[in-house]
Amino acid sequence: AQSVTQLGSHVSVSEGALVLLRCNYSSSVPPYLFWYVQYPNQGLQLLLKYTSAATLVKGINGFEAEFKKSETSFHLTKPSAHMSDAAEYFCAVTNTGFQKLVFGTGTRLLVSP
Amino acid sequence: DAGVIQSPRHEVTEMGQEVTLRCKPISGHNSLFWYRQTMMRGLELLIYFNNNVPIDDSGMPEDRFSAKMPNASFSTLKIQPSEPRDSAVYFCASSLGGQANTEAFFGQGTRLTVV
Repeated sequence: AQSVTQLGSHVSVSEGALVLLRCNYSSSVPPYLFWYVQYPNQGLQLLLKYTSAATLVKGINGFEAEFKKSETSFHLTKPSAHMSDAAEYFCAVTNTGFQKLVFGTGTRLLVSP
Repeated sequence: DAGVIQSPRHEVTEMGQEVTLRCKPISGHNSLFWYRQTMMRGLELLIYFNNNVPIDDSGMPEDRFSAKMPNASFSTLKIQPSEPRDSAVYFCASSLGGQANTEAFFGQGTRLTVV
């Protein structure tokens, strides 16, 4: 069965600092990987996805993630944090015939001035 | 497009009552998903419909839960009878095709509290 592990339930950064949110996956077959963002009292919004094309994936709002098979990782980064990035971020994996997303436990990003 | 629309946004009910959550997917999308989000278990897929047909309901917790999709623009998730442990945020999502690499669009969720 596939799964994802997100290290750190909370990550705090200062505005302008690098954002790094960690995600490691487990899958017996090549996975599809996703990062979603959830703002307070909102649904989830797709930031970016890896679907076996380029290993470096660029998403919305300046976020990107790199698929590293050797490390089974798909970490999310942003060079410079903005106050508006404060939210909860979910990594998800799927590799079945349909979109049965398996989510990680989420990482809450806190951005301080 | 208005996106995936869920109603109500908040629901407070007493234990033992029937609860019905509603979802209108994005027009043209043929796949619909119901997810539940709790602190203890995170986000879990409850059921998946494709072209109005339930494909996988292995995530439905027990017989108290049922879901229907009578047409392409409407789905319901019903809990009867409700219990306090059903308190959670329930999300509906839709996508075009439902293949593993396609984007799922989520509604804003229904926060259910069972007292």
